[in-house]
Amino acid sequence: DAKTTQPPSMDCAEGRAANLPCNHSTISGNEYVYWYRQIHSQGPQYIIHGLKNNETNEMASLIITEDRKSSTLILPHATLRDTAVYYCIVRVAGGATNKLIFGTGTLLAVQP
Amino acid sequence: GAVVSQHPSWVICKSGTSVKIECRSLDFQATTMFWYRQFPKQSLMLMATSNEGSKATYEQGVEKDKFLINHASLTLSTLTVTSAHPEDSSFYICSAISSGVSYNEQFFGPGTRLTVL
Repeated sequence: DAKTTQPPSMDCAEGRAANLPCNHSTISGNEYVYWYRQIHSQGPQYIIHGLKNNETNEMASLIITEDRKSSTLILPHATLRDTAVYYCIVRVAGGATNKLIFGTGTLLAVQP
Repeated sequence: GAVVSQHPSWVICKSGTSVKIECRSLDFQATTMFWYRQFPKQSLMLMATSNEGSKATYEQGVEKDKFLINHASLTLSTLTVTSAHPEDSSFYICSAISSGVSYNEQFFGPGTRLTVL
């Protein structure tokens, strides 16, 4: 079963920051937080991942709370092409057979 | 990033026929590949884990005799849906782990839409 909880949907105005929350209260010490997104009828796309420190890349920023029980994915300037289902997943990194178990995700609708 | 391809991108077949879907890692070697299934408006459901040179490991509830998986090389895994029926109509997605990446990131293919008439 998925170990994360996300709101089913969110809206965001184009050009504004999109903040997507995720709860993972049962996360283990060796589990990372991963974010993927899936644009309609495409395969999932990796966004970012982190363990306990905040992370930033060219796509997004990941803010993880100090107790690691929740995190927020931030898209700093959302565009219409960012409309997708965003999945927050926790898993152990470094093991070749570790599976990604997808929850229901958050459907982010970026409005013009 | 690493590229994973799937072929075909879509297929329509008659009930009772078998359909093979290919998943290829184009620019890296993948010792492990995963197969997912996604029904409309639902999340991805992991079907099986495929390791090169060994038998696939199926998730609970997935019929191994119906969904045949072969991972004969480090760049190719195939999923064969045998005796397909309309309820097998779905979006099938594969992913591959690049052994060359330190955190063993998964890269996903574009998916194959199967419609069984």
